Amino acid sequence: GAVVSQHPSRVICKSGTSVKIECRSLDFQATTMFWYRQFPKKSLMLMATSNEGSKATYEQGVEKDKFLINHASLTLSTLTVTSAHPEDSSFYICSARRQGAELYGYTFGSGTRLTVV
Amino acid sequence: KQEVTQIPAALSVPEGENLVLNCSFTDSAIYNLQWFRQDPGKGLTSLLLIQSSQREQTSGRLNASLDKSSGRSTLYIAASQPGDSATYLCAVKGGGSQGNLIFGKGTKLSVKP
Repeated sequence: GAVVSQHPSRVICKSGTSVKIECRSLDFQATTMFWYRQFPKKSLMLMATSNEGSKATYEQGVEKDKFLINHASLTLSTLTVTSAHPEDSSFYICSARRQGAELYGYTFGSGTRLTVV
Repeated sequence: KQEVTQIPAALSVPEGENLVLNCSFTDSAIYNLQWFRQDPGKGLTSLLLIQSSQREQTSGRLNASLDKSSGRSTLYIAASQPGDSATYLCAVKGGGSQGNLIFGKGTKLSVKP
């Protein structure tokens, strides 16, 4: 149980376009989902926390107008990278918190490799 | 501000060896600590979760220990196999049950056949 599906796994887009990444909890309801960005040889950086039905909470330094997060249901959160630029190229990973997460930990998606050309 | 450090950054061992990965954190007021495995270009797979009140957790050939007062955790891998090759990440959760995970940079493990 506790599977998180992230789609797409890889995406290449042109500079200036927008890209949407989906994160779905398949067999549980996720009241909270987290979005991370991973740079090579760096720690995972928390970008934002999204709670179902409310606005996302962004970490300091993360542009909320650039990285739009929507958590419209208990099983789906989306991250949209707007007007993407090459510096947005990175590995993005979502995680979901389910009831009982304090006992079982958080579940992560498989990640999305974004390349902006 | 919580900081998580993992040593070494990379480790290469021959198959069959027992090994220890280290994780240290600066603020001992953690809720729990979790070890993950990450294969290249993939997401994170949870390996072990240790609550702040626990000393260790075991799963198969893996054993994780936690010394909260000294801000340290170790992941012990017994009888390593080439399939264990991956990056191992340590993450601590603070701020109660709702807190975020703070990650280390990981240890890249290579097990040679």
